[in-house]
Amino acid sequence: ETGVTQTPRHLVMGMTNKKSLKCEQHLGHNAMYWYKQSAKKPLELMFVYNFKEQTENNSVPSRFSPECPNSSHLFLHLHTLQPEDSALYLCASSYGQEDQPQHFGDGTRLSIL
Amino acid sequence: ILNVEQSPQSLHVQEGDSTNFTCSFPSSNFYALHWYRWETAKSPEALFVMTLNGDEKKKGRISATLNTKEGYSYLYIKGSQPEDSATYLCAFPNTNAGKSTFGDGTTLTVKP
Repeated sequence: ETGVTQTPRHLVMGMTNKKSLKCEQHLGHNAMYWYKQSAKKPLELMFVYNFKEQTENNSVPSRFSPECPNSSHLFLHLHTLQPEDSALYLCASSYGQEDQPQHFGDGTRLSIL
Repeated sequence: ILNVEQSPQSLHVQEGDSTNFTCSFPSSNFYALHWYRWETAKSPEALFVMTLNGDEKKKGRISATLNTKEGYSYLYIKGSQPEDSATYLCAFPNTNAGKSTFGDGTTLTVKP
C-alpha cells in the first residue's frame, strides 16, 4: 500500500470512446504526476500539477486531458485515443521537493482496440 | 533534455551472487538522485534519496553510493535473492515541483 490509489486497474476501450482515469492520494502531498510507460520504453512524464496548478505538459497530444480539482485527486480524461496509446499509465505524488521521492500508484493498464 | 543513463539494461545472476549497476546523470545543477525498485505487477517503490557527494546509504542487503562531481551513482546488492528480481530505476530531479527524469532502468533477474 503506497497511499496512492488508481482506478481502474485495467481498461479496454475503443478509439471513439471517452473514459477517465482516476488517481487519489491522502499522503498530504501537493504535487501529482501522470506517467506513461509503453512496452520496452522508459517512464515518460506526461503532466505535473503542483498545488492544483499544471506546471508541466510534456508535449502530450490533446486527446489526453488532465484535471486536478484539488491536491488529493488527479484525473486523466481520454478521448479518441489511438492504438499506440495502449500502455501502463502511472500516477504519482510527492511533496514537490527534490529531496523527496515520488509515491506511485499501481497503474492503469490501458488497451485501445 | 537531460541525459540519465543506466547500465546494464538487464542482468541475470544466480542466487547468492553480489551485483551492482550504474546510474549516470548530469553533474551540473545537482539537487538529488533517487533510486526506485519496481517489481512486476507492483508500483515503483522508493529505495534511496541521495543528496550529498560521497553519500552511502544502506537498506538491508542493498546499498547505494553517490559521486556528484563525476555524475554517477552505484547500486549494490549483496547476496542476491530471487525476491530482489525487479527493475531498478534511478531518477534525477531537475526542477522544483519534484519533476524528475528517469533512466531506462536495470532489470535484475535472480535465479534460484
